[in-house]
Amino acid sequence: QSALTQPASVSGSPGQSITISCTGTSNDVGGYNYVSWYQQHAGEAPKLTIYDVNNRPSGVSNRFSGSKSGNTASLTISGLQAEDEADYYCSSYTSSGAKVFGTGTKVTVL
Amino acid sequence: QVQLQESGPGLVRPSGTLSLTCAVSGVSISNHFWWSWVRQPPGKGLEWIGEVFHGGNTDYNPSLKSRVTISVDKSNNQFSLRLTSLTAADTAVYYCARVQWARNFDYWGQGNLVIVSS
Repeated sequence: QSALTQPASVSGSPGQSITISCTGTSNDVGGYNYVSWYQQHAGEAPKLTIYDVNNRPSGVSNRFSGSKSGNTASLTISGLQAEDEADYYCSSYTSSGAKVFGTGTKVTVL
Repeated sequence: QVQLQESGPGLVRPSGTLSLTCAVSGVSISNHFWWSWVRQPPGKGLEWIGEVFHGGNTDYNPSLKSRVTISVDKSNNQFSLRLTSLTAADTAVYYCARVQWARNFDYWGQGNLVIVSS
């Protein structure tokens, strides 16, 4: 299985909105509404931020939202804040039952 | 509160075998969750290694399947990773994680850095 494709980096100014894409195939992203997103600050473990395409775990800011169209899922961060600066990874369930992660996106707050 | 804690060596020899354990607290490992291992080479992205269900069923990354064994120890509420025939490419931070509904990694350990070097 190949890693899902994400842009290497995305940046924005405080208060702006940014969107990170995650492109797979019909055997993973496109085939199931089982895409999740993880935020990873430097030196820390990843943290579940969005699950099942567009659901937020308890305690996650409503500035984070997810969506999906075809084989591409997206994570949007609105009202960008300095604390949002981190690496973000998507993940998907696959037709074989395995899991696959995205290549990762570094978000920079200008 | 669910907590996961990895333990194991920080340095292993090339061609050797890596053994890591993940101690789970706050929930019984026999509950209906999958338990997973994920690794991250220094400066690189996340890679799913595989996972185990409490009944012993397993699922592995096809690229690692020939070298990986994941098992569960219900009596000690923990699960383990065994990776053989190590090379420098296996140098990474190894995370254990709980898998919610067989698809979302909702709780993670803090990670265990493993360096493969002679």
